[in-house]
Amino acid sequence: KAGVTQTPRYLIKTRGQQVTLSCSPISGHRSVSWYQQTPGQGLQFLFEYFSETQRNKGNFPGRFSGRQFSNSRSEMNVSTLELGDSALYLCASSQGRNTDTQYFGPGTRLTVL
Amino acid sequence: SQKIEQNSEALNIQEGKTATLTCNYTNYSPAYLQWYRQDPGRGPVFLLLIRENEKEKRKERLKVTFDTTLKQSLFHITASQPADSATYLCALGNSGGYQKVTFGTGTKLQVIP
Repeated sequence: KAGVTQTPRYLIKTRGQQVTLSCSPISGHRSVSWYQQTPGQGLQFLFEYFSETQRNKGNFPGRFSGRQFSNSRSEMNVSTLELGDSALYLCASSQGRNTDTQYFGPGTRLTVL
Repeated sequence: SQKIEQNSEALNIQEGKTATLTCNYTNYSPAYLQWYRQDPGRGPVFLLLIRENEKEKRKERLKVTFDTTLKQSLFHITASQPADSATYLCALGNSGGYQKVTFGTGTKLQVIP
């Protein structure tokens, strides 16, 4: 089974721009969660999608949004980028029940200049 | 507010010894706790899950304990090897139908040959 894939792997943007990140989950997984990882804050939960619906959301501003398609692929969008948005963005897929194992992708490294 | 602390940012240990990593939490009543391993440039990889009604879980050289009274989990790697060198993350999850885990900031383990 192919693992979780994320594209692009690296991205450089400037302040004020917007960015879209993509995540393809493991085949058969209906849940996709997004996390932001920074050296200071660690891994922080952004949101989780299940069957195209956002089920849960972390404490991030509205500039961070996401969606999930019928094939379970998910995208995350960040608008009006700020320097502090520089981070590793990770997605994880699972079958969606609470304690199901989450399988993480390699992440997208976003640098905001 | 909820807080998860992992004992130290870095831990150095001699090969063959037992590594013990600590995860303490406050203002939280998790239904389960997970441990992940993360290598540089990669997403976390799930290792073990322990539920609130379980005291101990083992998997090969790994052992996890969970003390809900002390609000603490200990993660042990016995007979440690240089290949065990990585960052280890604990994550706490609530009960409920959907996934939302809160991660600690991690402990970087270095096993010295």
